[in-house]
Amino acid sequence: GAVVSQHPSWVICKSGTSVKIECRSLDFQATTMFWYRQFPKQSLMLMATSNEGSKATYEQGVEKDKFLINHASLTLSTLTVTSAHPEDSSFYICSGGTGGSPLHFGNGTRLTVT
Amino acid sequence: DAKTTQPTSMDCAEGRAANLPCNHSTISGNEYVYWYRQIHSQGPQYIIHGLKNNETNEMASLIITEDRKSSTLILPHATLRDTAVYYCIVRANYGQNFVFGPGTRLSVLP
Repeated sequence: GAVVSQHPSWVICKSGTSVKIECRSLDFQATTMFWYRQFPKQSLMLMATSNEGSKATYEQGVEKDKFLINHASLTLSTLTVTSAHPEDSSFYICSGGTGGSPLHFGNGTRLTVT
Repeated sequence: DAKTTQPTSMDCAEGRAANLPCNHSTISGNEYVYWYRQIHSQGPQYIIHGLKNNETNEMASLIITEDRKSSTLILPHATLRDTAVYYCIVRANYGQNFVFGPGTRLSVLP
């Protein structure tokens, strides 16, 4: 089945620094990728939708200047958390799909900001 | 908001069938029923999906009622590795994201 590779699987960074998370579709071309965030004991919440070659669409309450999303190719989307703070510590998950197929999810990135 | 309701938690004995219900009474005609599961600290894993016919694959079976207002995911012989949170999601095709509810936490007991 379709594989989405997400990297890194975990990262610890200091407050004020930036962190980049990569999401790659390994065996399919993802015209649309979705970025989710999951806090402990909660469900996944959509942060933004990125379409290849265009600007991402952010959900209400998600700061687009803080969470920079780039979807420059059909196989790569990146999420950069800029000037990270402890409240940004969370589990970030990307997903991608093609056509009407099921979405496939990466294995997530656990971000801890100290 | 999620368009589905599921029990918060369920237990199942190892080796027995796990039957996970989902209510989606407001489902639209073009919306599919999808099931995913999430094992702790991993991304959601696709299990199965269907429109109106029952479906079966190597992981599970999906039974959708004739009026499509509810469905049941069946894991025929649950193992300890099936312990996870199971999400039932309705979604129309192409381009739409998945809206996750709280899901059902399934515990498979030895």
